[in-house]
Amino acid sequence: DTAVSQTPKYLVTQMGNDKSIKCEQNLGHDTMYWYKQDSKKFLKIMFSYNNKELIINETVPNRFSPKSPDKAHLNLHINSLELGDSAVYFCASSPGQGQGQFFGPGTRLTVL
Amino acid sequence: GENVEQHPSTLSVQEGDSAVIKCTYSDSASNYFPWYKQELGKGPQLIIDIRSNVGEKKDQRIAVTLNKTAKHFSLHITETQPEDSAVYFCAASSEEYGNKLVFGAGTILRVKS
Repeated sequence: DTAVSQTPKYLVTQMGNDKSIKCEQNLGHDTMYWYKQDSKKFLKIMFSYNNKELIINETVPNRFSPKSPDKAHLNLHINSLELGDSAVYFCASSPGQGQGQFFGPGTRLTVL
Repeated sequence: GENVEQHPSTLSVQEGDSAVIKCTYSDSASNYFPWYKQELGKGPQLIIDIRSNVGEKKDQRIAVTLNKTAKHFSLHITETQPEDSAVYFCAASSEEYGNKLVFGAGTILRVKS
């Protein structure tokens, strides 16, 4: 029944490693997003895809690469992890652009 | 680009009292203003939203008001309950900037019983 799901929920890894976070939505939405929430709870958009097409790409290091194999999935791959990448990453989806977004439970990434 | 400021950063109220959280935005082209509630360890949950062609919207104990001239909008929670305790975020977006949601810094609401 989960609307927007993410895996894993927790991710602890060493600096320099490469990791992926997966996101799936079963709401039939056209638009999906990745957000980063820092230790002060500030939420900032990273990427947005509409019908598998990248439409928003904020000033994010190119170590971060989103991939949308289909409308229901938006994965985030991170290369050469750095200490500053430690945060909670949220996936979200919406019926279309400019509409209410539904968030997943988050993935807490800790880089040691 | 858009900038959203949110006040207060923390708010404590007695159970049954009302709570008001205010946000201001900078981009007059912004036309969509959602509010999110985030409980500890969970993702933000959309609780109410308003578009620029409407001045007020209400859903049970929650209401949002929008003043386009002054570029500010507010969340009103009446008859607060302990389960209303959470972090609340306002956000704004405009079609001009690809409908990108820009969030406020959040308000920690504590409802004391």
